[in-house]
Amino acid sequence: AQSVAQPEDQVNVAEGNPLTVKCTYSVSGNPYLFWYVQYPNRGLQFLLKYITGDNLVKGSYGFEAEFNKSQTSFHLKKPSALVSDSALYFCALRVFNAGNNRKLIWGLGTSLAVNP
Amino acid sequence: EAGVTQFPSHSVIEKGQTVTLRCDPISGHDNLYWYRRVMGKEIKFLLHFVKESKQDESGMPNNRFLAERTGGTYSTLKVQPAELEDSGVYFCASSQDRYTGELFFGEGSRLTVL
Repeated sequence: AQSVAQPEDQVNVAEGNPLTVKCTYSVSGNPYLFWYVQYPNRGLQFLLKYITGDNLVKGSYGFEAEFNKSQTSFHLKKPSALVSDSALYFCALRVFNAGNNRKLIWGLGTSLAVNP
Repeated sequence: EAGVTQFPSHSVIEKGQTVTLRCDPISGHDNLYWYRRVMGKEIKFLLHFVKESKQDESGMPNNRFLAERTGGTYSTLKVQPAELEDSGVYFCASSQDRYTGELFFGEGSRLTVL
Protein backbone atom coordinates (compact mmCIF):
# COMPACT_ATOMS: atom_id res chain seq x y z
CA ALA A 1 0.00 0.00 0.00
CA GLN A 2 1.18 3.50 -0.76
CA SER A 3 1.31 5.80 2.22
CA VAL A 4 3.02 8.73 3.87
CA ALA A 5 3.63 9.06 7.59
CA GLN A 6 4.67 12.07 9.63
CA PRO A 7 5.32 10.57 13.05
CA GLU A 8 5.36 13.84 14.97
CA ASP A 9 2.27 15.99 15.41
CA GLN A 10 4.38 18.84 16.72
CA VAL A 11 8.00 19.84 16.73
CA ASN A 12 9.37 22.56 18.99
CA VAL A 13 12.76 24.13 18.42
CA ALA A 14 14.57 27.22 19.64
CA GLU A 15 15.37 29.95 17.17
CA GLY A 16 18.84 29.48 15.70
CA ASN A 17 18.88 25.74 16.32
CA PRO A 18 18.68 23.17 13.54
CA LEU A 19 15.29 21.67 12.85
CA THR A 20 14.12 18.36 11.43
CA VAL A 21 10.59 17.40 10.42
CA LYS A 22 10.27 13.70 9.75
CA CYS A 23 8.54 11.89 6.90
CA THR A 24 8.52 8.24 5.93
CA TYR A 25 6.82 6.67 2.96
CA SER A 26 5.75 3.41 1.45
CA VAL A 27 5.47 2.95 -2.31
CA SER A 28 6.07 0.36 -4.97
CA GLY A 29 8.46 1.73 -7.51
CA ASN A 30 10.37 4.99 -7.40
CA PRO A 31 9.02 7.62 -5.03
CA TYR A 32 8.27 11.19 -6.05
CA LEU A 33 8.23 13.13 -2.79
CA PHE A 34 7.27 16.66 -1.87
CA TRP A 35 7.19 19.04 1.06
CA TYR A 36 4.58 21.76 1.36
CA VAL A 37 4.15 24.39 4.08
CA GLN A 38 1.02 26.12 5.30
CA TYR A 39 1.49 29.38 7.15
CA PRO A 40 -1.41 30.62 9.31
CA ASN A 41 -4.40 31.71 7.21
CA ARG A 42 -2.58 30.92 3.99
CA GLY A 43 -2.73 28.24 1.35
CA LEU A 44 -0.26 25.40 0.99
CA GLN A 45 3.04 26.44 -0.56
CA PHE A 46 5.48 24.19 -2.37
CA LEU A 47 8.88 23.92 -0.64
CA LEU A 48 10.82 21.25 -2.50
CA LYS A 49 10.62 17.93 -4.26
CA TYR A 50 12.63 14.79 -4.89
CA ILE A 51 12.21 13.07 -8.24
CA THR A 52 15.60 11.61 -8.95
CA GLY A 53 19.26 12.50 -8.59
CA ASP A 54 21.00 13.86 -5.51
CA ASN A 55 19.61 12.63 -2.24
CA LEU A 56 19.93 16.09 -0.71
CA VAL A 57 17.37 18.43 -2.20
CA LYS A 58 17.43 22.17 -1.61
CA GLY A 59 14.27 24.22 -1.57
CA SER A 60 12.74 27.54 -0.64
CA TYR A 61 13.42 29.60 2.50
CA GLY A 62 16.67 27.73 3.26
CA PHE A 63 14.99 24.35 3.68
CA GLU A 64 16.44 21.11 2.42
CA ALA A 65 15.39 17.49 2.56
CA GLU A 66 17.33 14.27 2.58
CA PHE A 67 16.03 11.31 0.65
CA ASN A 68 17.05 7.96 2.16
CA LYS A 69 15.91 4.98 0.14
CA SER A 70 17.02 2.32 2.60
CA GLN A 71 15.11 3.97 5.44
CA THR A 72 12.25 5.08 3.16
CA SER A 73 12.49 8.56 4.62
CA PHE A 74 12.41 12.11 3.33
CA HIS A 75 13.11 14.34 6.34
CA LEU A 76 12.89 18.10 6.04
CA LYS A 77 15.75 20.07 7.56
CA LYS A 78 17.00 23.56 8.13
CA PRO A 79 20.35 24.44 9.73
CA SER A 80 19.08 27.44 11.68
CA ALA A 81 15.41 27.89 12.49
CA LEU A 82 13.62 31.24 12.39
CA VAL A 83 10.51 32.21 14.34
CA SER A 84 8.89 32.88 10.96
CA ASP A 85 9.32 29.20 10.06
CA SER A 86 6.52 28.36 12.52
CA ALA A 87 3.86 26.73 10.37
CA LEU A 88 2.25 23.44 9.41
CA TYR A 89 4.41 21.19 7.22
CA PHE A 90 3.09 18.45 4.97
CA CYS A 91 4.95 15.65 3.26
CA ALA A 92 3.35 14.24 0.11
CA LEU A 93 3.92 11.34 -2.26
CA ARG A 94 2.89 11.30 -5.89
CA VAL A 95 1.12 8.11 -6.86
CA PHE A 96 -0.52 6.84 -9.98
CA ASN A 97 -4.16 5.89 -10.32
CA ALA A 98 -5.65 3.65 -12.94
CA GLY A 99 -5.35 5.30 -16.32
CA ASN A 100 -1.94 6.66 -15.42
CA ASN A 101 -3.49 9.57 -13.55
CA ARG A 102 -1.41 11.22 -10.89
CA LYS A 103 -2.40 12.48 -7.49
CA LEU A 104 -0.70 13.37 -4.24
CA ILE A 105 -1.23 11.46 -1.04
CA TRP A 106 -0.39 13.34 2.13
CA GLY A 107 0.90 12.92 5.62
CA LEU A 108 -1.14 14.27 8.51
CA GLY A 109 1.08 17.29 8.87
CA THR A 110 3.53 18.43 11.52
CA SER A 111 3.12 21.68 13.37
CA LEU A 112 6.48 23.40 13.79
CA ALA A 113 6.86 25.94 16.57
CA VAL A 114 10.07 27.96 16.66
CA ASN A 115 10.53 29.70 19.99
CA PRO A 116 12.42 33.00 20.25
CA GLU B 1 0.42 37.42 -11.20
CA ALA B 2 -2.67 36.53 -9.20
CA GLY B 3 -2.57 33.26 -7.32
CA VAL B 4 -5.29 30.67 -6.90
CA THR B 5 -8.33 32.24 -5.31
CA GLN B 6 -11.13 30.47 -3.51
CA PHE B 7 -14.52 31.67 -2.40
CA PRO B 8 -15.98 31.67 0.18
CA SER B 9 -13.22 31.46 2.73
CA HIS B 10 -15.66 30.11 5.30
CA SER B 11 -19.20 28.80 4.98
CA VAL B 12 -21.49 27.63 7.77
CA ILE B 13 -24.61 25.77 6.70
CA GLU B 14 -27.22 23.45 8.14
CA LYS B 15 -27.29 19.77 7.34
CA GLY B 16 -29.33 19.23 4.19
CA GLN B 17 -28.53 22.59 2.67
CA THR B 18 -26.49 23.21 -0.45
CA VAL B 19 -23.15 24.94 -0.73
CA THR B 20 -21.13 25.87 -3.79
CA LEU B 21 -17.42 26.52 -3.54
CA ARG B 22 -15.58 28.35 -6.25
CA CYS B 23 -11.97 28.22 -7.37
CA ASP B 24 -10.21 30.53 -9.79
CA PRO B 25 -6.91 28.97 -10.86
CA ILE B 26 -3.83 30.81 -12.01
CA SER B 27 -4.39 32.07 -15.52
CA GLY B 28 -3.09 29.66 -18.11
CA HIS B 29 -3.05 26.64 -15.79
CA ASP B 30 -4.91 23.84 -17.51
CA ASN B 31 -4.75 21.52 -14.52
CA LEU B 32 -7.06 22.13 -11.59
CA TYR B 33 -7.35 19.94 -8.53
CA TRP B 34 -9.67 19.76 -5.55
CA TYR B 35 -8.45 18.35 -2.25
CA ARG B 36 -10.14 18.17 1.14
CA ARG B 37 -8.83 18.09 4.68
CA VAL B 38 -11.17 16.88 7.36
CA MET B 39 -10.19 17.87 10.91
CA GLY B 40 -7.50 15.61 12.27
CA LYS B 41 -7.12 13.65 9.06
CA GLU B 42 -4.87 13.82 6.06
CA ILE B 43 -5.47 15.92 2.98
CA LYS B 44 -7.32 13.79 0.43
CA PHE B 45 -7.56 14.09 -3.32
CA LEU B 46 -11.03 14.68 -4.73
CA LEU B 47 -10.61 15.26 -8.43
CA HIS B 48 -8.50 16.63 -11.25
CA PHE B 49 -9.57 18.67 -14.26
CA VAL B 50 -7.55 19.16 -17.41
CA LYS B 51 -9.14 22.20 -18.96
CA GLU B 52 -12.87 21.49 -18.80
CA SER B 53 -12.56 17.70 -18.71
CA LYS B 54 -12.57 15.57 -15.58
CA GLN B 55 -9.31 13.66 -15.82
CA ASP B 56 -9.70 11.80 -12.56
CA GLU B 57 -12.63 11.95 -10.15
CA SER B 58 -11.77 8.83 -8.18
CA GLY B 59 -11.61 10.74 -4.91
CA MET B 60 -15.10 12.18 -4.96
CA PRO B 61 -16.80 10.73 -1.87
CA ASN B 62 -20.29 10.23 -3.28
CA ASN B 63 -22.87 11.63 -5.68
CA ARG B 64 -23.70 14.51 -3.34
CA PHE B 65 -20.58 16.18 -4.67
CA LEU B 66 -20.60 17.75 -8.13
CA ALA B 67 -17.64 19.53 -9.65
CA GLU B 68 -17.66 21.54 -12.84
CA ARG B 69 -15.22 23.58 -14.82
CA THR B 70 -17.14 25.14 -17.65
CA GLY B 71 -14.94 26.71 -20.28
CA GLY B 72 -11.83 25.44 -18.61
CA THR B 73 -11.42 28.48 -16.39
CA TYR B 74 -12.86 28.60 -12.89
CA SER B 75 -14.29 25.57 -11.15
CA THR B 76 -17.15 25.03 -8.76
CA LEU B 77 -17.67 22.26 -6.25
CA LYS B 78 -21.25 21.82 -5.10
CA VAL B 79 -22.28 19.77 -2.12
CA GLN B 80 -25.99 18.91 -2.13
CA PRO B 81 -27.35 18.01 0.35
CA ALA B 82 -24.57 18.64 2.83
CA GLU B 83 -23.96 16.18 5.66
CA LEU B 84 -22.08 16.66 8.92
CA GLU B 85 -19.11 14.62 7.68
CA ASP B 86 -18.61 17.02 4.79
CA SER B 87 -17.16 19.59 7.20
CA GLY B 88 -13.54 20.39 6.49
CA VAL B 89 -11.28 22.60 4.45
CA TYR B 90 -11.55 22.32 0.69
CA PHE B 91 -8.39 23.23 -1.16
CA CYS B 92 -8.12 24.04 -4.80
CA ALA B 93 -4.81 23.88 -6.63
CA SER B 94 -3.67 24.48 -10.16
CA SER B 95 -0.61 23.68 -12.22
CA GLN B 96 0.70 24.18 -15.70
CA ASP B 97 2.28 20.75 -15.87
CA ARG B 98 0.46 17.78 -14.37
CA TYR B 99 3.62 15.67 -14.34
CA THR B 100 5.84 17.66 -11.98
CA GLY B 101 3.64 17.59 -8.92
CA GLU B 102 4.29 21.19 -7.98
CA LEU B 103 0.87 22.59 -7.26
CA PHE B 104 -0.19 26.14 -6.47
CA PHE B 105 -2.84 26.16 -3.78
CA GLY B 106 -5.53 28.56 -2.79
CA GLU B 107 -6.14 29.48 0.83
CA GLY B 108 -8.93 26.97 1.11
CA SER B 109 -12.65 27.15 1.79
CA ARG B 110 -13.61 26.06 5.27
CA LEU B 111 -17.01 24.36 5.32
CA THR B 112 -18.85 23.81 8.57
CA VAL B 113 -22.03 21.73 8.45
CA LEU B 114 -24.18 21.97 11.58
